[in-house]
Amino acid sequence: GQNIDQPTEMTATEGAIVQINCTYQTSGFNGLFWYQQHAGEAPTFLSYNVLDGLEEKGRFSSFLSRSKGYSYLLLKELQMKDSASYLCGIMDSNYQLIWGAGTKLIIKP
Amino acid sequence: DAMVIQNPRYQVTQFGKPVTLSCSQTLNHNVMYWYQQKSSQAPKLLFHYYDKDFNNEADTPDNFQSRRPNTSFCFLDIRSPGLGDAAMYLCATSEEGDSAKNIQYFGAGTRLSVL
Repeated sequence: GQNIDQPTEMTATEGAIVQINCTYQTSGFNGLFWYQQHAGEAPTFLSYNVLDGLEEKGRFSSFLSRSKGYSYLLLKELQMKDSASYLCGIMDSNYQLIWGAGTKLIIKP
Repeated sequence: DAMVIQNPRYQVTQFGKPVTLSCSQTLNHNVMYWYQQKSSQAPKLLFHYYDKDFNNEADTPDNFQSRRPNTSFCFLDIRSPGLGDAAMYLCATSEEGDSAKNIQYFGAGTRLSVL
């Protein structure tokens, strides 16, 4: 079966760093995506990893370990606008995007 | 700006009354997707079009149908909405379907309420 696990909710403080983990078991692997979704809005693309290692893009970084079926999204210098849900998605062997349920991130002043 | 547009943003219908949600795109992408997303859950793929080829997910109820009359437009028809169909419906597009780095671009969604 296909399974993607993310924490349901996390809380962090403005200006701090937070790491959101994602573990997965899927039928095949063609890449891992992170999307940000503000309440009541559409998901927007943040990052894509297909090889092991860290991809950095400004305040956001994404890490992948294929052998461990594990990824994390690292958010630095947190801002209030970073309060959102963060969705982990795996592209499987059929090039279908399988989504996790998302992690709701709450930023406190 | 090139984008994915969904209309309406909010739709209220009555139990059993057919409803159509629309999606248009100016990205000229080959693939269009319809997702259903309920509160605090992952988006669930209902079906997608690769150009004119329709691909239905195995567990999508027959109550849900779709049409893609041209590259730019795609419609979701719910023939007899039930209370369990109240959800956010997301339309997305991607340039290609069988490419690994296949970024999907989403519309703002239509929130459907069933009374």
